Amino acid sequence: DTAVSQTPKYLVTQMGNDKSIKCEQNLGHDTMYWYKQDSKKFLKIMFSYNNKELIINETVPNRFSPKSPDKAHLNLHINSLELGDSAVYFCASSPRGGGNTIYFGEGSWLTVV
Amino acid sequence: SQQGEEDPQALSIQEGENATMNCSYKTSINNLQWYRQNSGRGLVHLILIRSNEREKHSGRLRVTLDTSKKSSSLLITASRAADTASYFCATLYSGGGADGLTFGKGTHLIIQP
Repeated sequence: DTAVSQTPKYLVTQMGNDKSIKCEQNLGHDTMYWYKQDSKKFLKIMFSYNNKELIINETVPNRFSPKSPDKAHLNLHINSLELGDSAVYFCASSPRGGGNTIYFGEGSWLTVV
Repeated sequence: SQQGEEDPQALSIQEGENATMNCSYKTSINNLQWYRQNSGRGLVHLILIRSNEREKHSGRLRVTLDTSKKSSSLLITASRAADTASYFCATLYSGGGADGLTFGKGTHLIIQP
């Protein structure tokens, strides 16, 4: 039983394309996140989202947009992909926001060529 | 800027030895958490220590917290090959906008058989 699942696991695409990564959690959590992990393993929060509020990290380009059709899903859309977008993207969830334990998906490896 | 910094960046020890990793952070916290990431996988929560706690144990894991020095340590006793992974400390940091855990760059631990 996968708690936080994201697809695809691997994605190779060309510069300028638009792509999406889907995420679903079956934990009943209120808050979901997207994190980006670069080649040096530095993990950076991109968004946090609950039923009421989307909070965007101020450094995230507006080419990135999260979309939540319902409480259990938070998809990540990326427009006009750039080489620097290549990274591993992790979806995660927690029972509440703030400093609570976070449950991560297995990651989506995005390579922009 | 990132909240937590792990030290050392990499650590290689023999199986059966103890491994100690350190984490320093910048601002006041409610709690500090440690996570493990196996190669190619998502992060998994290991242990949470609250700001009013000084030490916590979970199996072979021992975590200490010194709020006066803004530092924490993770000790893994009697290490096993399966402990080979990257270990991250995480604290809540809201300064960048998104309300969620902020991770350091991690300590890459290698257990040699």
